[in-house]
Parts: sequence; structure tokens; C-alpha cells
Amino acid sequence: AQSVAQPEDQVNVAEGNPLTVKCTYSVSGNPYLFWYVQYPNRGLQFLLKYITGDNLVKGSYGFEAEFNKSQTSFHLKKPSALVSDSALYFCAVRDNRGSTLGRLYFGRGTQLTVWP
Amino acid sequence: GAGVSQSPSNKVTEKGKDVELRCDPISGHTALYWYRQSLGQGLEFLIYFQGNSAPDKSGLPSDRFSAERTGGSVSTLTIQRTQQEDSAVYLCASSLDGWERTEAFFGQGTRLTVV
Repeated sequence: AQSVAQPEDQVNVAEGNPLTVKCTYSVSGNPYLFWYVQYPNRGLQFLLKYITGDNLVKGSYGFEAEFNKSQTSFHLKKPSALVSDSALYFCAVRDNRGSTLGRLYFGRGTQLTVWP
Repeated sequence: GAGVSQSPSNKVTEKGKDVELRCDPISGHTALYWYRQSLGQGLEFLIYFQGNSAPDKSGLPSDRFSAERTGGSVSTLTIQRTQQEDSAVYLCASSLDGWERTEAFFGQGTRLTVV
């Protein structure tokens, strides 16, 4: 079955430090991978995606993510965290084969808190 | 409009009543998704429309839930005989083409409270 796992419910970092939010996936074929961010009482906002090509993809607000096929991971990173980065982050994978073609699977989300 | 629009933003209903939630996708987007987000939970897939193809309804939790998409644009999610466990934020998203490499854009959601 297709699935996405975010092993950490919460990540806490100090402002200015690097941050990593982890994501692993299980999907048939070549995955299309996405990261979204949700601020309080808001909908989800797209951050970045991996479709093909360079394993390191860059997105909005200085975020980047590294696709690792052998480890089936797509961890979200930022070199220097800001307090304003505090939000709920979701990893997602799109199923691109089979009877569930096109469906988007989401992880449970990771609450990122950046303290001053 | 420029983004995905959902209405109402908030809905309080009595147990046993029917509710309809509306989603206006981004113009030209052929793929439309409905998800449910309960407090402290991730996004639960409900239903997926792609163009004129038969929708993927496999995520609907019971036969009290149904959804339609008229003219390939606006979608309505209907919950009949609402129960307290239906209380959640219902999110709609659309993408240019669900079978291509495009990201989905989400609306602000409808917060449903069943009392």
C-alpha cells in the first residue's frame, strides 16, 4: 500500500540553527513528492516538489528537500530557521500508477517550533 | 478567483441534519480533491475527481458521504445525517492535471462542528 511517514510529531529548533523535518514514503514506481506548510487556521500552502532530476530541490521561503531513492526519504531542510517558520508541515506523495493513479497521500504532519 | 474557494468557512449543525460543503477550484484545473482534517490528525483522503473520469471515491468513510462535481468545475460534498465524529475541517484542493507533475492548491477549508 502507498504511504507516507513523518516519524516526528514535533521538531523544536533555535532560531538561526539548521532544521530538518523527516519524511519517508512507500509507493510503487517513481514517486512525485511534495511538501506543504500549514499556518494556524489556514489552508495548506505548497512549498516544493520533486518530480525528476536533481535530488536536491529548492522551494519557497528558503526551504529545500533532498530526495534519496535508496532510503525512500524526502527530508525537508533549511540552513537557518526563523521564528516565522513555526507551523505544521506535511509531506505528500502522488500515486502515479495503478488504480489509484493521481491520488495524493499525506503524512500525519510535523509541528515545527522555532524559538527565539 | 485566484485561488481555491470553499464555503462556508464555518458550519455548525445539529446531529442528524444534512450539510453541503462547496468548493470552487482554480479555473482550468481538471483535478479536484477532498480531504478531512481532524484535530491532531493528518489529512484523510475522501474523494478525487480527474476530468471526465469516474471519481475515486474509495476514501469516503460511509454511505452518508457523497460528492459531485458539476461541469468539471464546482464540487459539493454532502454529508447526510451528520454525526459528532464528522466534526472536522474539510479541505478541498485542485491541480492543473492530477496525472501530471503539478502541485495541488488548497482552499482555506470548511470547519464543520456537529452538536
